[in-house]
Amino acid sequence: AQSVTQPDIHITVSEGASLELRCNYSYGATPYLFWYVQSPGQGLQLLLKYFSGDTLVQGIKGFEAEFKRSQSSFNLRKPSVHWSDAAEYFCAVGPYNQGGKLIFGQGTELSVKP
Amino acid sequence: GAGVSQSPSNKVTEKGKDVELRCDPISGHTALYWYRQSLGQGLEFLIYFQGNSAPDKSGLPSDRFSAERTGGSVSTLTIQRTQQEDSAVYLCASSPSGGAGGTDTQYFGPGTRLTVL
Repeated sequence: AQSVTQPDIHITVSEGASLELRCNYSYGATPYLFWYVQSPGQGLQLLLKYFSGDTLVQGIKGFEAEFKRSQSSFNLRKPSVHWSDAAEYFCAVGPYNQGGKLIFGQGTELSVKP
Repeated sequence: GAGVSQSPSNKVTEKGKDVELRCDPISGHTALYWYRQSLGQGLEFLIYFQGNSAPDKSGLPSDRFSAERTGGSVSTLTIQRTQQEDSAVYLCASSPSGGAGGTDTQYFGPGTRLTVL
């Protein structure tokens, strides 16, 4: 069965520091991979997605993610975190040919210290 | 343009009562999804509608849950005989077409927070 693991439930970084959020997936083939962000009181917003091709994907708000097939990972990164990045981040897998339903990880809550 | 809207934003009900949650997708989007976000289970897929095709109900947790989509637009998620474990935020999303294998971006609504007393 497909699954997504986000090992870190909560991460705290200082403003201006770099960020990496981990995501590992379990799937028989190359899945479609997504990162969503949920700010307090807001709906989920897509940051970036990967389907094929270049394994380094650029997204909105200065985020990027790298697909590593050998590690079954799709980690999210940002070189310099801003206080407004404090939110919950969800990694998701879209199994091929299942119409777009998403399987989400448990989420990582990001806090930003001034 | 308008995003996905959901109503009500909050719903408090008593155990055993039925509830209906509404979702208005983005105009022109043919695919519509329901998810549930709860403390214990995280974000779970519930059901997916794509055009006139039979819905994918594989995520519905029990037969107390049902959903319909009228006229290919508005969707209603109904929970019968609510239980306390149904307390969660119910999220609706829509996408332009669902995509071959799900490549479309899903646009999420703000959710309905359901509390079952």
